[in-house]
Amino acid sequence: ETAVFQTPNYHVTQVGNEVSFNCKQTLGHDTMYWYKQDSKKLLKIMFSYNNKQLIVNETVPRRFSPQSSDKAHLNLRIKSVEPEDSAVYLCASSPWGGWDTQYFGPGTRLLVL
Amino acid sequence: AQSVTQPDARVTVSEGASLQLRCKYSYSGTPYLFWYVQYPRQGLQLLLKYYSGDPVVQGVNGFEAEFSKSNSSFHLRKASVHWSDSAVYFCVRGTGANTGKLTFGHGTILRVHP
Repeated sequence: ETAVFQTPNYHVTQVGNEVSFNCKQTLGHDTMYWYKQDSKKLLKIMFSYNNKQLIVNETVPRRFSPQSSDKAHLNLRIKSVEPEDSAVYLCASSPWGGWDTQYFGPGTRLLVL
Repeated sequence: AQSVTQPDARVTVSEGASLQLRCKYSYSGTPYLFWYVQYPRQGLQLLLKYYSGDPVVQGVNGFEAEFSKSNSSFHLRKASVHWSDSAVYFCVRGTGANTGKLTFGHGTILRVHP
């Protein structure tokens, strides 16, 4: 099966903890993205990587850091979570970094208590 | 500045009725525009996209959208909706040349009564 896979589906943690989310795509794409979707459904891009190189790095707090081991994997680490980090984190991929269709994973829902 | 506006937060229609979801964008040139749909507990899926040419673009599942430069709009339409079309619909503009960076509207929640 070719798609974008995310783990975990859901994560609950306490303020100040570190969390890490995984994303893997089996579509053979060169570019991967992380988006944050807030409680009002608004999506904003956080990062994008093309072939393991950082292409887009929006203004996100320093506690967020993407990690790419190869072009099929793009993980997201949050060093010390805060309540406002509660959201759904969506991973996506596209064949290249232009205006091709982006294929999204189902998301990881984070709840920070 | 908001570059994509979806004025209707929620739309409710009956099954079989026609549908129009509105989208306005702000951009001086010809933008790259998309409509994505998010079904419950699923990732987003592309419905259609517009780059240039014929202003009416056809998408999946009977959806189409019409680009209007004069009105700065990219409204989504469907002639006859099905209950399974209930989802959140996002109008999206490509920003940042060749980076794949997308700017999303706030989305319109569509509910179709069976």
